[in-house]
Amino acid sequence: AQSVSQHNHHVILSEAASLELGCNYSYGGTVNLFWYVQYPGQHLQLLLKYFSGDPLVKGIKGFEAEFIKSKFSFNLRKPSVQWSDTAEYFCAVRASGNTGKLIFGQGTTLQVKP
Amino acid sequence: DAGITQSPRHKVTETGTPVTLRCHQTENHRYMYWYRQDPGHGLRLIHYSYGVKDTDKGEVSDGYSVSRSKTEDFLLTLESATSSQTSVYFCAISGERSGNTIYFGEGSWLTVV
Repeated sequence: AQSVSQHNHHVILSEAASLELGCNYSYGGTVNLFWYVQYPGQHLQLLLKYFSGDPLVKGIKGFEAEFIKSKFSFNLRKPSVQWSDTAEYFCAVRASGNTGKLIFGQGTTLQVKP
Repeated sequence: DAGITQSPRHKVTETGTPVTLRCHQTENHRYMYWYRQDPGHGLRLIHYSYGVKDTDKGEVSDGYSVSRSKTEDFLLTLESATSSQTSVYFCAISGERSGNTIYFGEGSWLTVV
């Protein structure tokens, strides 16, 4: 069965600091990978996704993620965070070609101090 | 947004009562999902559907049932609500038109007292 692990549960950064959130998954086959963001009181919004091709994917709001197959990882990065990036971030994995079940990590709460 | 409407958005109910949450989509997507979100657990899949009258269980399906009689509607029913089912419930959809990306509704806050 698939599983997803996010290493950091709560991250506090100052504005302009760089961000890296870890995500590892366990599944032996081909996967689709996603990062979602949830601002306080809102629903989940897609930040970026990886299906195939270039393992470095760019998403909205300056976020990017790198898929490293050998490490089963899909870490999220942003060179310089802003106060408005304060939110909860979820990594999610779906076995490629299945009925579409998306399995989520526990989430990482990011707090950016102005 | 993604053409997903959840109702009700907020509900308080008593233990032992039945509750039905509705998810309505205007995108004609094939797949629909119900997730619950709880602190420390992220989002967990309750049930999903891959077509009209085609549904299957997710990770935390006990105490929940679903029905999909039309492409656009996916109903989640708590037959007899318990306090452990107090949660935020999110509906999601995906299909070929969305590039198989899953998009989420705005959530339904359910409190069981």
